[in-house]
Amino acid sequence: ETGVTQTPRHLVMGMTNKKSLKCEQHLGHNAMYWYKQSAKKPLELMFVYSLEERVENNSVPSRFSPECPNSSHLFLHLHTLQPEDSALYLCASSQDQMGVSYTFGSGTRLTVV
Amino acid sequence: AQKITQTQPGMFVQEKEAVTLDCTYDTSDPSYGLFWYKQPSSGEMIFLIYQGSYDQQNATEGRYSLNFQKARKSANLVISASQLGDSAMYFCAMRDANSNYQLIWGAGTKLIIKP
Repeated sequence: ETGVTQTPRHLVMGMTNKKSLKCEQHLGHNAMYWYKQSAKKPLELMFVYSLEERVENNSVPSRFSPECPNSSHLFLHLHTLQPEDSALYLCASSQDQMGVSYTFGSGTRLTVV
Repeated sequence: AQKITQTQPGMFVQEKEAVTLDCTYDTSDPSYGLFWYKQPSSGEMIFLIYQGSYDQQNATEGRYSLNFQKARKSANLVISASQLGDSAMYFCAMRDANSNYQLIWGAGTKLIIKP
């Protein structure tokens, strides 16, 4: 068990659907992250939250909408996605914004049809 | 611009042998951190080892060691006495000097340990 739990593990959705990915950590970490991992591409940082405030948004399309209601939970709301958005979405957390060690979840494998 | 290069897309290694995974980086900032992560088929990224640019000694964690050659800008991961469970993707990453949060990732190396 990694300490960072992501649900669901797999998700298939149509381009007109609305779905949400959930990430939960009980490590006492103050920073949480969303990454996108596409085949044969380096990991892409999407969003960073520190103490529940968004501190970085790497030019992510508005069809991805993050939410951090508290320091233990992070959501990624999805709507009107495109097939190229199919990827593994990884959540991570770290002690603080200068964390040396990042703890990752197992990811959500998203397929957009 | 900061960049991480992993030149080995895949490697086959005999069980119990040592293996070196290559990583070179490019940055103009004197202060940076280098990371290695393992990603098994289950998907989660597992932190292995960290090296700070000002650390005097090479980092070690159990069977993992980081061969840090600052002048060559290389940070190779060495796994001693490889085991079947070491089969996975391995990623080298560097913390961006301009952003405290941005990890710059390499493309990864797929390591397969043969029995």
